[in-house]
Amino acid sequence: KAGVTQTPRYLIKTRGQQVTLSCSPISGHRSVSWYQQTPGQGLQFLFEYFSETQRNKGNFPGRFSGRQFSNSRSEMNVSTLELGDSALYLCASSIRRESEAFFGQGTRLTVV
Amino acid sequence: AQSVAQPEDQVNVAEGNPLTVKCTYSVSGNPYLFWYVQYPNRGLQFLLKYITGDNLVKGSYGFEAEFNKSQTSFHLKKPSALVSDSALYFCAVRDKYNFNKFYFGSGTKLNVKP
Repeated sequence: KAGVTQTPRYLIKTRGQQVTLSCSPISGHRSVSWYQQTPGQGLQFLFEYFSETQRNKGNFPGRFSGRQFSNSRSEMNVSTLELGDSALYLCASSIRRESEAFFGQGTRLTVV
Repeated sequence: AQSVAQPEDQVNVAEGNPLTVKCTYSVSGNPYLFWYVQYPNRGLQFLLKYITGDNLVKGSYGFEAEFNKSQTSFHLKKPSALVSDSALYFCAVRDKYNFNKFYFGSGTKLNVKP
């Protein structure tokens, strides 16, 4: 079966712009979570969605937002980009507590 | 609070030798523990998990991990390392209340030399 798909794979944006990243989970998975990975901070939890509802949000400013659609696809948006937002953004889908999470290949965002 | 710690930033091992990547956890209650591997500019690939049951867990690519409750550890092991095992390894614990929220360790870079 198809894995978690993230688009685009690479993005270059200018400071002050906004960006939208997309994640399609594995079919049947209703939970999608997002993580930011940087060399300095490691993997940090951004937010989790389940059945179109945000259940958790990590310690990130309000510039980071997301949503989930009825088909479980999720998007995250970052407004007013800063240089420090340059990172690999990963999304993961999971189906139940006993199951592992499945990660997409990530979107590499570079802010210049 | 839940957390995991990976005390080694880097582990070097010769091909054919056994390898160990260390992980300790801090969780109230029973932990759900995971190991993932990451190759450059790629996502995380699942290796193995401990939910309950046998303390020795076998996973993908010949990896295994031992859950030790008294030492709060979940070290990743492999009897014979391959050069292709060189990658970044992450230990993670699942959030107690949200099944798709994980707390990751800082990662350990494994270098396997021929």
